[in-house]
Amino acid sequence: EDQVTQSPEALRLQEGESSSLNCSYTVSGLRGLFWYRQDPGKGPEFLFTLYSAGEEKEKERLKATLTKKESFLHITAPKPEDSATYLCAVQAHNQGGKLIFGQGTELSVKP
Amino acid sequence: DGGITQSPKYLFRKEGQNVTLSCEQNLNHDAMYWYRQDPGQGLRLIYYSQIVNDFQKGDIAEGYSVSREKKESFPLTVTSAQKNPTAFYLCASSTRRTGDEKLFFGSGTQLSVL
Repeated sequence: EDQVTQSPEALRLQEGESSSLNCSYTVSGLRGLFWYRQDPGKGPEFLFTLYSAGEEKEKERLKATLTKKESFLHITAPKPEDSATYLCAVQAHNQGGKLIFGQGTELSVKP
Repeated sequence: DGGITQSPKYLFRKEGQNVTLSCEQNLNHDAMYWYRQDPGQGLRLIYYSQIVNDFQKGDIAEGYSVSREKKESFPLTVTSAQKNPTAFYLCASSTRRTGDEKLFFGSGTQLSVL
């Protein structure tokens, strides 16, 4: 069964304190791994897609990496505006494009 | 601006009542999806449609129904058979082009039971 597990469930950081979020997955043929950001009461906002092990992508203070079993979202020198829930999802081949989501990591960055 | 519009933002359902959530997109996307989000849980797929007049059940389709009569529209009906409907409902769409499979989400509808 395809499955996604994110850790930790919640993370509290001080402004400028770098850290990483983990996304472990099992999938029968990975088509893509996706990271989204979600603010309270809003829909998820797309951040990155990773397709193969070793791939990395960056956007401002965020950097996503991928291995055959997990993905990391590294946050460098976070700011309070980075506070949100970060969602990881996988898409398998021959599954009609649907995504399987983890439960998310709620990040709080204090000034 | 192109995007996905969900309405209403908040919806209340009485016992035994069917309610319909609207989802419209002007991105010219072929595929559309409905997800349910409960606190502390991941998004769970209710129904999805890859083309007009065709749709498939997701992981939690019981108590829900959909239609796809137009490319732009994918309404979700929460029927009285859904005994625990309180949740945040998200509609999404995507292209079917290889290498561009990311989902675009609407702003969501919060459904509560009176």
